[in-house]
Amino acid sequence: QVQLVESGGGLVKPGGSLRLSCAASGFTFSDYYMSWIRQAPGKGLEWVSYISSSGTTVYYADSVKGRFTISRDNAKNSLYLQLSSLRAEDTAVYYCARETAYSYGPWGEGTLVTVSS
Amino acid sequence: QSVLTQPPSVSAAPGQKVTISCSGSSSNIGNNYVSWYQQLPGTAPKLLIYENNKRPSGIPDRFSGSKSGTSATLDITGLQTGDEADYYCGTWDSSLSAWVFGGGTNLTVL
Repeated sequence: QVQLVESGGGLVKPGGSLRLSCAASGFTFSDYYMSWIRQAPGKGLEWVSYISSSGTTVYYADSVKGRFTISRDNAKNSLYLQLSSLRAEDTAVYYCARETAYSYGPWGEGTLVTVSS
Repeated sequence: QSVLTQPPSVSAAPGQKVTISCSGSSSNIGNNYVSWYQQLPGTAPKLLIYENNKRPSGIPDRFSGSKSGTSATLDITGLQTGDEADYYCGTWDSSLSAWVFGGGTNLTVL
């Protein structure tokens, strides 16, 4: 079945960096656009970034532009998010999600990133 | 402040119907497909409705979506206690070149 599994979250100090990964299985990963979406504790969903199936087109939310980098390795069925210059407000559960028919489904279970000194 | 506006909470009795609204503008809902997501407590969001009114396989027909102009609605009929969750609308915003979500609506089944 279709599955997305995130990893790489953890505790990091302000200004630090982290690399998140999302392992995809059960579908032809290279056919789909993918995104990262985050949710701060007790808050709503916030779209972070999006990458085309080939990796040639990317978009970012203004809140992370210039600090986060999305990428993918279709040979490894993996999606990545490089987080840099992290701030306290970046603390959130980060989900990867597959884009299908102008919507997101399925979603992974998420990985928690905590930015704190 | 979310680009898409949803009521923070709605409630209804078991077996009843509830409607959740999502209001936007011509740059998002007005010219793009709307999707809806259900997030049960402590879990990841799940796709409920795509392309305004289509249900993925496995989603009961108690859930339905519609869109008119710059607004969209999610209807849930025959409410069950298991429907208690947060519900989010989402769409692409062509002006922002960004995906946007509503602030979420918490559903309580009394």
